[in-house]
Order: sequence, then structure tokens, then C-alpha cells
Amino acid sequence: GDSVTQMEGPVTLSEEAFLTINCTYTATGYPSLFWYVQYPGEGLQLLLKATKADDKGSNKGFEATYRKETTSFHLEKGSVQVSDSAVYFCALTSGAGSYQLTFGKGTKLSVIP
Amino acid sequence: ETGVTQSPTHLIKTRGQQVTLRCSSQSGHNTVSWYQQALGQGPQFIFQYYREEENGRGNFPPRFSGLQFPNYSSELNVNALELDDSALYLCASSLRGLSVRDGELFFGEGSRLTVL
Repeated sequence: GDSVTQMEGPVTLSEEAFLTINCTYTATGYPSLFWYVQYPGEGLQLLLKATKADDKGSNKGFEATYRKETTSFHLEKGSVQVSDSAVYFCALTSGAGSYQLTFGKGTKLSVIP
Repeated sequence: ETGVTQSPTHLIKTRGQQVTLRCSSQSGHNTVSWYQQALGQGPQFIFQYYREEENGRGNFPPRFSGLQFPNYSSELNVNALELDDSALYLCASSLRGLSVRDGELFFGEGSRLTVL
């Protein structure tokens, strides 16, 4: 079945540091890939998405590229801020008409001033 | 435009009891999905409702059941609660009928259930 593997957290970075959160996946067919973010006290929010190979999703300075050859969708940001502190989830949905998301376990990011 | 709202936000039950969790979907959204998020884990898909019928189901036993109402709101019912049912239960609504592939899921803040 489908699965998503994320790097273990927690991750602690200083403000303005470079961020990478690794995500690899196993899926049937041609999945769409997502990064969701969960800020403290808030619901999950879509951060970015990519629906086909070599697509790059981007939002709020975050980027991730859909790499079919390495089955990866790593999240990157060049300069993190304290406000980026949150839990980040990599997720996928596969198959036409798919109705469910498969999530990774999440990576907690803390950014210190 | 109101977002996805869930109630109650927190509740405590004892093993063997039954619980009902409620979700109001975002305005205009006709599809509701439920996810279980255990502590330190990612959300796991329970089921989805579309046009008041269960559209798909994850790997959860029949004691997890749901309803969707004509106004698209939804309930999640769990019978014969077990300790492992302790989790954050997330409701998500979407506009597209069946596929989340291109659309976005809008999540509520969740209902945190503790089973003692």
C-alpha cells in the first residue's frame, strides 16, 4: 500500500538558517504530493502541492520538487523564521478519483531567535 | 465564510463507552473526511462522506461509523471505546465530490478524545 516516510524530528534551527525536511514515498500509480503544516493550536493547512513529476510546489518561501526517480518530495526553505515553528506533514494521494490522503508521521520544527 | 468547526474540542470517556464527534464543513463544501491522529503520528484516514453516503473507508473496524446530513455536516461515532482510541480526531471538508487529488482539504482543529 501507499506510505510516506519523513525524517525524524524534532528539528531545532536558529532564525535565518536553511531548512530541509526529507520525505520519501511509496505509491501505486502517479500520486499527487503535498506538504501540510500544523501551527500550534490550529488545524492542518495545505502548504504546497505538486501533482506530477518534476513539478515544483512553492508557498511562503517553502519549496518542494516532485522527484519520481528518487520517489522524494523534500521540503526546503532558505531562511526560516520563528513564525515557521510548527509540525510539517508530507502526504500523498494516488490514483484517479482518490479520496484519501496518506500522511507521514510529521516533523516538528522549532526556530529560535 | 466560516471554516471547518468541530465539537467538542476535548472529552474524556471510559473504556466501553460510546462517543459522538461533530463537524460542520466549510461553507459550500459537500464532502467530509475524518482522520485519526494518535500522539506523535500522522493523521490516518477513517472514512469519507459524500452526498450523505460513505464514499471510502480506511483500515478501521465497524465500530467506527459516521453520518452526513443534508447541510453537509457530519458525525463520527465510535462504539465500545478502547484505550487505543485516544487520539485527536480531525474533520476535513472539500469542494470536489470525490477526489482530493487537485483540490484542497480544509481541516478543523480537531476533537481530542481521551479514553481511560
